[in-house]
Amino acid sequence: SQQGEEDPQALSIQEGENATMNCSYKTSINNLQWYRQNSGRGLVHLILIRSNEREKHSGRLRVTLDTSKKSSSLLITASRAADTASYFCATDDNYGQNFVFGPGTRLSVLP
Amino acid sequence: EAQVTQNPRYLITVTGKKLTVTCSQNMNHEYMSWYRQDPGLGLRQIYYSMNVEVTDKGDVPEGYKVSRKEKRNFPLILESPSPNQTSLYFCASSRDRDQETQYFGPGTRLLVL
Repeated sequence: SQQGEEDPQALSIQEGENATMNCSYKTSINNLQWYRQNSGRGLVHLILIRSNEREKHSGRLRVTLDTSKKSSSLLITASRAADTASYFCATDDNYGQNFVFGPGTRLSVLP
Repeated sequence: EAQVTQNPRYLITVTGKKLTVTCSQNMNHEYMSWYRQDPGLGLRQIYYSMNVEVTDKGDVPEGYKVSRKEKRNFPLILESPSPNQTSLYFCASSRDRDQETQYFGPGTRLLVL
């Protein structure tokens, strides 16, 4: 079952611009996480937001969660070429045991 | 250094030849999981384990087996690999069932001919 789905599938921006990626999911969750993956490598955890939180910041990252719309957004401010990667949202299932990832957003930051 | 290791990193095999991909973590994590990643499909969970001797199916368990005899190890077994199991496989672990940060291994690229 596809729980999280990111939008857009691909995003290309200039260095210094902000990048916004969205994630939608289908069922209720305990928390939602965003991960980053450089080409062919393992995923790296970026940020976790719990279902009772609405917004969270970490450095240049800002994550929002709207449980009524079952959606989340990841904002990367002042993007850098090094931010070029794929970004995935991941949610737990209703029982908090199974983890489901979306297909990801490929971000390209052009110098 | 806290890490998740997988072996082998790259593997080419033929249909039907049993193989095992090992996964080990040194963080004393309870929760471990296997994913496969395919273009356009993102990561899909194969199996997960809440603790020693406790395993359960993820979204795409067909054709795979796992075992969790020790806390640190969670091998993925393909009894009779088929070409549709050609993929990039990731092992991950996290502290407990509350689904805190998952730590991912470097990945295993498998090609089944």
